[in-house]
Amino acid sequence: QVQLVESGGGLVKPGGSLRLSCVASGFTFSDYYMHWIRQAPGKGLESISYISSTSSYTKYADSVKGRFTISRDNAKSSLYLQLDSLKVEDTAVYYCARGGIVLRSWFDPWGQGTLVTVSS
Amino acid sequence: EIVLTQSPDTLSLSPGEEATLSCWASPSIPSNNLAWYQQKPGQAPRLLITGASSRATGIPDRFSGSGSGTDFSLSISTLEPEDSALYFCQQYGSSPFTFGGGTKVQIK
Repeated sequence: QVQLVESGGGLVKPGGSLRLSCVASGFTFSDYYMHWIRQAPGKGLESISYISSTSSYTKYADSVKGRFTISRDNAKSSLYLQLDSLKVEDTAVYYCARGGIVLRSWFDPWGQGTLVTVSS
Repeated sequence: EIVLTQSPDTLSLSPGEEATLSCWASPSIPSNNLAWYQQKPGQAPRLLITGASSRATGIPDRFSGSGSGTDFSLSISTLEPEDSALYFCQQYGSSPFTFGGGTKVQIK
């Protein structure tokens, strides 16, 4: 079945870095846009970055631009998010989600999420 | 950026009743590219509705979506205990893709 599994979350100090991974299975990963979405504790959902199927196009929310980097390895069916210069307000559950073959598409499925906690 | 506003914040209903959740967009959503998701505690969001009114695969027909332009709604007829969850709308018609703040449905 179509599945996404994230890993790499944890506790990090402000200013620190983490690399999140998302491994896909059950579909042709290289055909799809992929997205990262986060949800701060008790809050709503924020779409923070996406990447095109061939990595030719990436986009970031203003809240993470210049600090986070999205990438993918189609040979490994994997999506990544490099988180640098982390702030306390980056504390959230980070989800990866499959987009569509075209950009303007819904997100389905989502991974189970990985928790990033930024605290001194 | 398209801002989505959901109401009410919380809906408390009994099993068997009908729930109606609203999602307003400003400005309007191109091509009615609006989705609804259900999220239960500790779980990832689950896709319910795409294109404002099309049920996703495996979604029971008691879930229905409607609306266009700026006004959208999700109806859950004949509420069941397992429908207790947080419901989000999302627009994917214009980047950045944005989410509403969510409506919590509580089953009495």
